[in-house]
Amino acid sequence: DTEVTQTPKHLVMGMTNKKSLKCEQHMGHRAMYWYKQKAKKPPELMFVYSYEKLSINESVPSRFSPECPNSSLLNLHLHALQPEDSALYLCASSGVSDSPLHFGNGTRLTVT
Amino acid sequence: GNSVTQMEGPVTLSEEAFLTINCTYTATGYPSLFWYVQYPGEGLQLLLKATKADDKGSNKGFEATYRKETTSFHLEKGSVQVSDSAVYFCALSEAGTASKLTFGTGTRLQVTL
Repeated sequence: DTEVTQTPKHLVMGMTNKKSLKCEQHMGHRAMYWYKQKAKKPPELMFVYSYEKLSINESVPSRFSPECPNSSLLNLHLHALQPEDSALYLCASSGVSDSPLHFGNGTRLTVT
Repeated sequence: GNSVTQMEGPVTLSEEAFLTINCTYTATGYPSLFWYVQYPGEGLQLLLKATKADDKGSNKGFEATYRKETTSFHLEKGSVQVSDSAVYFCALSEAGTASKLTFGTGTRLQVTL
């Protein structure tokens, strides 16, 4: 069982919908990440939160809006997405410095 | 910038065969190196890691040695099982930070009976 929990597992949304992806970890990690993974490709970094503050935004379009309500939770708010945004969205967390990332099982998003 | 190059897949092996998946990297300084595995329908799991030259990471029968002289981190397993079928990603992070992982393109392994 993964220690990073993501909900929902699957999400289908229209281009005018607003939805949110949720991620939770209870390992005491202070860094949390959102990655996007297209089929047969490696994950691409979207956002990094460190100590609940946004530290990296990899030039992600504003239709993706991250939020870190506390050290255990990470959300990704979605609005006015495009079909090409359909992908597996992975959350990850890590401890300090060289600690490896722990990934959740992802949310498979389909935009229709 | 940093980059990771992995061998193209898919790699198809019979059960109990020897596995090698090549990985080479380009980076400044002394990066940490990782192998992640992704089983169908799941996220990535850390398989093993090495943080300095000549370190050997190992887990579940898999091994990889950090070779600075050849900038390589090849993944090996002596006897693969059907349950090892997955996509394997080589990755690096700059020393002192795990924030920005640079991934290889992934290598799909298919093990047959």
